[in-house]
Amino acid sequence: DAGVTQSPTHLIKTRGQQVTLRCSPKSGHDTVSWYQQALGQGPQFIFQYYEEEERQRGNFPDRFSGHQFPNYSSELNVNALLLGDSALYLCASSGGQDLNEKLFFGSGTQLSVL
Amino acid sequence: SQKIEQNSEALNIQEGKTATLTCNYTNYSPAYLQWYRQDPGRGPVFLLLIRENEKEKRKERLKVTFDTTLKQSLFHITASQPADSATYLCALDGPGNTGKLIFGQGTTLQVKP
Repeated sequence: DAGVTQSPTHLIKTRGQQVTLRCSPKSGHDTVSWYQQALGQGPQFIFQYYEEEERQRGNFPDRFSGHQFPNYSSELNVNALLLGDSALYLCASSGGQDLNEKLFFGSGTQLSVL
Repeated sequence: SQKIEQNSEALNIQEGKTATLTCNYTNYSPAYLQWYRQDPGRGPVFLLLIRENEKEKRKERLKVTFDTTLKQSLFHITASQPADSATYLCALDGPGNTGKLIFGQGTTLQVKP
């Protein structure tokens, strides 16, 4: 039973470019959340998707957008990349037979913006 | 807004001792509090959840306490092992219990043999 999978694992972009990160939730989960983790910091909530809709959003600009597909997988898009967007981007899923509050994280996508 | 404070300094202890990590929050009392473990280059892994009406929760060598008066949670690892070395993150639910988690910055634990 696969857990949460994210792709790619590493990505290097330059300022101003756009990036798309992908996430497949744990089997049976229907809710996907995205977090940004800067070096030495805890994860910061970006947004959460449920039933293909953005259900909650953290304090991130509109350059950060997302999508959830009918199979519950999700994408995170970031436009007009800034140096400060360099971070580990984590996808987490929840729901199904597991406690709703318990998050299962993927290993993340390490994004470097040069 | 909710602020969470964890010891930013690394905690170094000897194998076999009990490690105690602290999580303090400043604002509203959350409906629940969670602890996660994170290894370098990996995503956090869920360890324990404790609800506001629970004082203590145990799982094998792990114990969590939750004091809503002090606005504090303590996380204990008894009989610590070098394999317990990792960063431990405290997380609270956002206002309205909507499933959004607010994380502390984490405390790095180093267990020496």
